[in-house]
Amino acid sequence: QKEVEQDPGPLSVPEGAIVSLNCTYSNSAFQYFMWYRQYSRKGPELLMYTYSSGNKEDGRFTAQVDKSSKYISLFIRDSQPSDSATYLCAMMDSSYKLIFGSGTRLLVRP
Amino acid sequence: GAVVSQHPSWVICKSGTSVKIECRSLDFQATTMFWYRQFPKQSLMLMATSNEGSKATYEQGVEKDKFLINHASLTLSTLTVTSAHPEDSSFYICSASLSGRAGNEQFFGPGTRLTVL
Repeated sequence: QKEVEQDPGPLSVPEGAIVSLNCTYSNSAFQYFMWYRQYSRKGPELLMYTYSSGNKEDGRFTAQVDKSSKYISLFIRDSQPSDSATYLCAMMDSSYKLIFGSGTRLLVRP
Repeated sequence: GAVVSQHPSWVICKSGTSVKIECRSLDFQATTMFWYRQFPKQSLMLMATSNEGSKATYEQGVEKDKFLINHASLTLSTLTVTSAHPEDSSFYICSASLSGRAGNEQFFGPGTRLTVL
């Protein structure tokens, strides 16, 4: 079993839709939870960064962490074609090593 | 701020040659740099963790004699792929961690695409 599971997609939605991206994990020691966006042939770009359970909002993006269920989510409101990319969840324990999910490819159709 | 660069952005080499990839933190000092490898449509896999002035810590299954890492300063780390073979063709990405930031947030470089013929 992988430490972090993420549906690879692709996920195709129309412009303006609400997008929901999810990851599950097995290691209860994870304390920090991140979402990265990666465009083709580019390095990952940090979108959201949360510590422990709860919600965090930044513009059109909302990150949720439920440690009791070992489940994290990223919501994108009013999705735009420019949001088309691969979204990677990542988690970190006290060793500060990042463990990535496999990434979900998102396509927002104009 | 928190910009990380990599050079070269892409490289093609013959089998058996060595390739050096540079990772620089441009506007901050990085206590730790990380090297990842990403195969097509797969996630990033951590290869090694590098602290300035000390030997790198390699992940299980990564050959330290094949992937040489040098972290000479707080702004520069290099990865040398020695005697490269076609199976080493991949996207290599570095990241740098800011000193003192809570959670040691990592900032990623743009990646280097290596193709070994």
